Amino acid sequence: NAGVTQTPKFQVLKTGQSMTLQCAQDMNHEYMSWYRQDPGMGLRLIHYSVGAGITDQGEVPNGYNVSRSTTEDFPLRLLSAAPSQTSVYFCASSGDRAGETQYFGPGTRLLVL
Amino acid sequence: AQTVTQSQPEMSVQEAETVTLSCTYDTSESDYYLFWYKQPPSRQMILVIRQEAYKQQNATENRFSVNFQKAAKSFSLKISDSQLGDAAMYFCAYRSSYGGSQGNLIFGKGTKLSVKP
Repeated sequence: NAGVTQTPKFQVLKTGQSMTLQCAQDMNHEYMSWYRQDPGMGLRLIHYSVGAGITDQGEVPNGYNVSRSTTEDFPLRLLSAAPSQTSVYFCASSGDRAGETQYFGPGTRLLVL
Repeated sequence: AQTVTQSQPEMSVQEAETVTLSCTYDTSESDYYLFWYKQPPSRQMILVIRQEAYKQQNATENRFSVNFQKAAKSFSLKISDSQLGDAAMYFCAYRSSYGGSQGNLIFGKGTKLSVKP
């Protein structure tokens, strides 16, 4: 049971480049989320999905797009990377019952030059 | 909107001793869930303990226990018999009992715990 997987583990981008951070889970969870973690800021929600075909914005959505075509996958796209997007990105998933524990992937460290 | 506050950016404890990490939160909801996550240097987010607000009994998991004070909106984590492997960043988090946009975790800014041998 792999749980939540994320690729890549580390990426360097130049300003203006685009890329997709991959996230997959094998627990048949409906709820999936993307967070970013910056020093001294905790984790902040970027986008989330409550099921295939349904996505919505979180606290810091600007500069990011998501889609959810399957239950398993929830990719995060950076359309035109900016230095302010240098961060560690976490994907998480949970069942859709109230208060269920969210399980996190190992994170992707992104550096934008 | 709900908020979570961890007022101790850094804490230190001697190996084998006990340490308590503080967390307060603000909400107008009566039913919700609270979590403590541990983040070691590997960056993996690991669930330490979970508390349902409707339960008066404090949650415990081996050496980890919480002091949940609903009226005071306080949710502290006590680590007993501290071990070197407990050194990590600890995050307190809140999750509403409602779904949709309210069903996501709201995190505090974290407390970095050091364990001295």
